[in-house]
Amino acid sequence: DVKVTQSSRYLVKRTGEKVFLECVQDMDHENMFWYRQDPGLGLRLIYFSYDVKMKEKGDIPEGYSVSREKKERFSLILESASTNQTSMYLCASSLRGLGRGARGYEQYFGPGTRLTVT
Amino acid sequence: SQQGEEDPQALSIQEGENATMNCSYKTSINNLQWYRQNSGRGLVHLILIRSNEREKHSGRLRVTLDTSKKSSSLLITASRAADTASYFCATLESGGGADGLTFGKGTHLIIQP
Repeated sequence: DVKVTQSSRYLVKRTGEKVFLECVQDMDHENMFWYRQDPGLGLRLIYFSYDVKMKEKGDIPEGYSVSREKKERFSLILESASTNQTSMYLCASSLRGLGRGARGYEQYFGPGTRLTVT
Repeated sequence: SQQGEEDPQALSIQEGENATMNCSYKTSINNLQWYRQNSGRGLVHLILIRSNEREKHSGRLRVTLDTSKKSSSLLITASRAADTASYFCATLESGGGADGLTFGKGTHLIIQP
């Protein structure tokens, strides 16, 4: 079974702190994603990566950065946490399609990190 | 930007009944996926339907896709208490090289015992 793990289930940080959220997958997936989930807004894509050291902005990248130094690990960084970044953060991974007809495999999600910034 | 929009936002039915959820989207898609999320947990993939498919089954799940109406439906037959969860549709837009999905806001399904 694919396993995606996230470093913390619950995290409380202070405004202005630098926050690292770690995600690790064990299925050699090329793609990795970071989403945040807020009531009434659903899931929104922050960043994704399709290869080591490669990253692409999603819909809401402001205030976040990412790092992918190894294939299995994708980190989300909040450079200076703010209260409006209080949210559930979900990491996911998937295979990467090899051509137009092979795009869009299912994504496997971690359990989520509920971050509270006070 | 939000692409998939689920309808209804919430649904409560009796155990054993069928549950139907709908999803509408705006742009051309490569595929559409449905996910389930139990309270406070990560999402679990249920089923994927490609743009050239019209219907797909998996166990008690039936998904339809109408690309002319840009809509999809998820039917859960013979519902069980364990089906209580939020259900999300997610679309992969056609074209481009990215594999990021766009999720809707979800339908919260409650199965009454």
